[in-house]
Amino acid sequence: DAMVIQNPRYQVTQFGKPVTLSCSQTLNHNVMYWYQQKSSQAPKLLFHYYDKDFNNEADTPDNFQSRRPNTSFCFLDIRSPGLGDAAMYLCATSRDWEGSETQYFGPGTRLLVL
Amino acid sequence: GQQVMQIPQYQHVQEGEDFTTYCNSSTTLSNIQWYKQRPGGHPVFLIQLVKSGEVKKQKRLTFQFGEAKKNSSLHITATQTTDVGTYFCADNTGTASKLTFGTGTRLQVTL
Repeated sequence: DAMVIQNPRYQVTQFGKPVTLSCSQTLNHNVMYWYQQKSSQAPKLLFHYYDKDFNNEADTPDNFQSRRPNTSFCFLDIRSPGLGDAAMYLCATSRDWEGSETQYFGPGTRLLVL
Repeated sequence: GQQVMQIPQYQHVQEGEDFTTYCNSSTTLSNIQWYKQRPGGHPVFLIQLVKSGEVKKQKRLTFQFGEAKKNSSLHITATQTTDVGTYFCADNTGTASKLTFGTGTRLQVTL
């Protein structure tokens, strides 16, 4: 089945230690998104890729970076995680960048910062 | 900036009771999407509403888009324990496929 896969499902890191979360998709979608979701809150968009074009949200901290080496894979790098970065990180895809596209979410990676 | 608020924040019902969550935007929406997120899970797309006054049904779920396109609602008839989760509306207005999620309504259903 076509899907969005995130690894690992749970990640523990230390304060200040760089961490990378990964996302892959078999849907062959052009757009990939990264969201941060803190407990009892709505998902918040960090950035997205339309093909290879990177688009950062204005309020996304510089501490968060992303890479998309090919259509199928996208990575979220947190350079120096702080305690406030503990959250669920959701990857999503959509077929295109037209309006009204449905987004398909992966299962998420829950990040714990010690 | 745009805000999309949902009420209530939390609702606890007994199985068989009805449930409604309301989504209100500070700006006019082009279209609105609804997602369901089970506890510990990820958001799953339910439906999209585009036209003013539009009503769509999925089995026990009824979705409505306001005439002024500034609000929307989701009504569940005769809730079941499988309906447990958080329901988010999401604004698809603005730059292409960017979603701005509402604050969410968490539904708890007990026997």
